[in-house]
Amino acid sequence: EPEVTQTPSHQVTQMGQEVILRCVPISNHLYFYWYRQILGQKVEFLVSFYNNEISEKSEIFDDQFSVERPDGSNFTLKIRSTKLEDSAMYFCASRARVYNTEAFFGQGTRLTVV
Amino acid sequence: ELKVEQNPLFLSMQEGKNYTIYCNYSTTSDRLYWYRQDPGKSLESLFVLLSNGAVKQEGRLMASLDTKARLSTLHITAAVHDLSATYFCAVDMGKTGTASKLTFGTGTRLQVTL
Repeated sequence: EPEVTQTPSHQVTQMGQEVILRCVPISNHLYFYWYRQILGQKVEFLVSFYNNEISEKSEIFDDQFSVERPDGSNFTLKIRSTKLEDSAMYFCASRARVYNTEAFFGQGTRLTVV
Repeated sequence: ELKVEQNPLFLSMQEGKNYTIYCNYSTTSDRLYWYRQDPGKSLESLFVLLSNGAVKQEGRLMASLDTKARLSTLHITAAVHDLSATYFCAVDMGKTGTASKLTFGTGTRLQVTL
């Protein structure tokens, strides 16, 4: 069964360092997303991506964040200068269509900023 | 701004009992999804509800959608321990021209005891 895969599963980084979280969405999907979940809290939307550009971004997704789809398969989230409060589980998701289909989520990357 | 609230936030129930989780949302939408999350794991799609009056059932779980009341329910019948997890509803605003993000509820942590 096709699935969304994310690497790494766990990343520990020092405050101020740059991190790149990687995702391989399901191959025929067209819409890509990043969400995050701070431990024990709800899942929050960060950004959506379609047709090689950002479709929508939340207030959380400030200038420190960027996304890229460098080739036909990968979808990356970069945090330029990490803060302690960026520690969270980051989920990548993809959808085949916008209407009438659910989003499929990857297994997540746990980011710990120390 | 869309708000999605679930209640209860935490539910401890005995095996064999029935219970309902409620998901209320603040803005008109006819697309709602239920996800299950095990501790430290990803989000698994359970139900896709796409119209007023939609009802879906899978095993001991049944989900329904009332778009007029802006309410979805997840009913658990004769709970078993394997259902212990956190359950999230997610509302899709489906805005034209965007990649249509999901807005998640607060989550309901279900614990089924023997």
